[in-house]
Amino acid sequence: DAGVTQSPTHLIKTRGQQVTLRCSPKSGHDTVSWYQQALGQGPQFIFQYYEEEERQRGNFPDRFSGHQFPNYSSELNVNALLLGDSALYLCASSLGLAVNEQFFGPGTRLTVL
Amino acid sequence: DAKTTQPNSMESNEEEPVHLPCNHSTISGTDYIHWYRQLPSQGPEYVIHGLTSNVNNRMASLAIAEDRKSSTLILHRATLRDAAVYYCILRVLAGSARQLTFGSGTQLTVLP
Repeated sequence: DAGVTQSPTHLIKTRGQQVTLRCSPKSGHDTVSWYQQALGQGPQFIFQYYEEEERQRGNFPDRFSGHQFPNYSSELNVNALLLGDSALYLCASSLGLAVNEQFFGPGTRLTVL
Repeated sequence: DAKTTQPNSMESNEEEPVHLPCNHSTISGTDYIHWYRQLPSQGPEYVIHGLTSNVNNRMASLAIAEDRKSSTLILHRATLRDAAVYYCILRVLAGSARQLTFGSGTQLTVLP
């Protein structure tokens, strides 16, 4: 049983560019959450998707947007990249909104130059 | 947001028990206490969670104070593979969803 998968593993972009990160949830899971983890910090919640809708959003600007597809996979889009967007982006999946147990992927390391 | 306070780092000897403390004095009655850990170069991994009663699973035990203002994650026999950052998190009810708010965690070093 494949766990949560994310692509790409690493990504290098320049300021002002746009990026799309992808996540496939664990089999049977229908809820996807995205987190940003800066170096040396704990993950910060970006938003959560359930039934193809954004259900909750953390303190992130509108440059961060997402989408969930009918097969429960998800994308995170970041527009107008800033140097401060350099971080590890983590995707986590769970069954339903109760978040009793979230399964995290290995993350995508984004570097903005 | 309800917050947690953990020591920045702790050390333990291999094959000895480890008690990782967490303070959450502003916890509300509906907040669950979750613990996750993050091994180097990996995403966080669920460890355990509880509401009021002590909990046990194959990985660890969670001891929750009677007033719920603190909790302790107990690893009964630390191994080198337990070296990780351990996060104590309150699962906060927020609108229609329930999000996890991570702090900085405790870096656990296990000495051979």
